[in-house]
Amino acid sequence: AQSVTQLGSHVSVSEGALVLLRCNYSSSVPPYLFWYVQYPNQGLQLLLKYTTGATLVKGINGFEAEFKKSETSFHLTKPSAHMSDAAEYFCAVSEGTGNQFYFGTGTSLTVIP
Amino acid sequence: NAGVTQTPKFQVLKTGQSMTLQCAQDMNHEYMSWYRQDPGMGLRLIHYSVGAGITDQGEVPNGYNVSRSTTEDFPLRLLSAAPSQTSVYFCASSYVDRDQYKFFGPGTRLTVL
Repeated sequence: AQSVTQLGSHVSVSEGALVLLRCNYSSSVPPYLFWYVQYPNQGLQLLLKYTTGATLVKGINGFEAEFKKSETSFHLTKPSAHMSDAAEYFCAVSEGTGNQFYFGTGTSLTVIP
Repeated sequence: NAGVTQTPKFQVLKTGQSMTLQCAQDMNHEYMSWYRQDPGMGLRLIHYSVGAGITDQGEVPNGYNVSRSTTEDFPLRLLSAAPSQTSVYFCASSYVDRDQYKFFGPGTRLTVL
């Protein structure tokens, strides 16, 4: 069975502060993990992905995430928040034949000026 | 490439009406899928297809039908709309390999009165 848990449905940070969005997963096979961002009234856009190899992956817009197998986590970080980072963020795991994705419930990020 | 396109962008239906949400992709992806997005519930998989002529159910298939006659198109049919189907619907496509991320369409916002 597979599932994705995103702790904190709403996160607020000040502009310039560290962004940390949490994602934990359960998977019966080695997981492939993804972070997506959704701006208001738009579709989902890939931020970054972990498949194999280096456990620290870098994505677009200065975001990065670290795969920690022992903690079953894939938290998303950005050193300095920008107003344009305000959006909804989704963590997803790929499992099963045919590349099925399972999404977390999302975290809404607010950036305070 | 146009990527993943969806029509219409907005739709209002009365209970019991039927309609088809259109999805097309021009990237020659084998895998296509439909998700619905509801507040606090993330994205839930409705139906998916791993190739022309092959479809299968996701987490929440009741009330929806799909078919895949071509690689490019994957329409979603609501046979008798219900208020519980009020949601935002996203179509996504990808290659079938597990490390391949999904491309999302812009979404269709459906209201059932």
